[in-house]
Amino acid sequence: GIQVEQSPPDLILQEGANSTLRCNFSDSVNNLQWFHQNPWGQLINLFYIPSGTKQNGRLSATTVATERYSLLYISSSQTTDSGVYFCAVGNNNDMRFGAGTRLTVKP
Amino acid sequence: EAGVTQSPTHLIKTRGQQATLRCSPISGHTSVYWYQQALGLGLQFLLWYDEGEERNRGNFPPRFSGRQFPNYSSELNVNALELEDSALYLCASSQGQLANTQYFGPGTRLTVL
Repeated sequence: GIQVEQSPPDLILQEGANSTLRCNFSDSVNNLQWFHQNPWGQLINLFYIPSGTKQNGRLSATTVATERYSLLYISSSQTTDSGVYFCAVGNNNDMRFGAGTRLTVKP
Repeated sequence: EAGVTQSPTHLIKTRGQQATLRCSPISGHTSVYWYQQALGLGLQFLLWYDEGEERNRGNFPPRFSGRQFPNYSSELNVNALELEDSALYLCASSQGQLANTQYFGPGTRLTVL
């Protein structure tokens, strides 16, 4: 099956800093999503981005499908950005999740 | 518009018992997905239902089963519970069975004692 690797596994930032999270995958996919799991366990869909670039406020994402990676950018981080960020990839609805990047933003 | 809802929020069972978890998708969504997030294992795909049929299942034993009802809500049943079944179970829904955005519910935290 498709292998998904996320890096870094852990990231600690000071409030206001910028960060880049990476997701590498092993095969062609037609579905790629980024999720944020908050400290209470709830998953929030951030981006559906099988290719190209999207922006939503302080967050943006870029997927280069031909090179099998996606990047999630967080600018001017806030303490509420803390949690685990998951990348999920797949074809149609057979999705595989990465292990996540645990982000801690300190005030 | 109401999001994906799950019940119960928390469930405590003992080894060998059965657990039933419920999920209501967003109105208009026909696909429902179940995921398990166990400590240290990350998110793992469990089951996908669309239009009342099981379309795909992850690498889980047969004691994990479920169904989707005509109103597209879904149940996840876990029989013969084991301690390692303790996890957060997340349900998601999407519109149709193509590659669409999945919207997640708040989850059910299952604890097996």
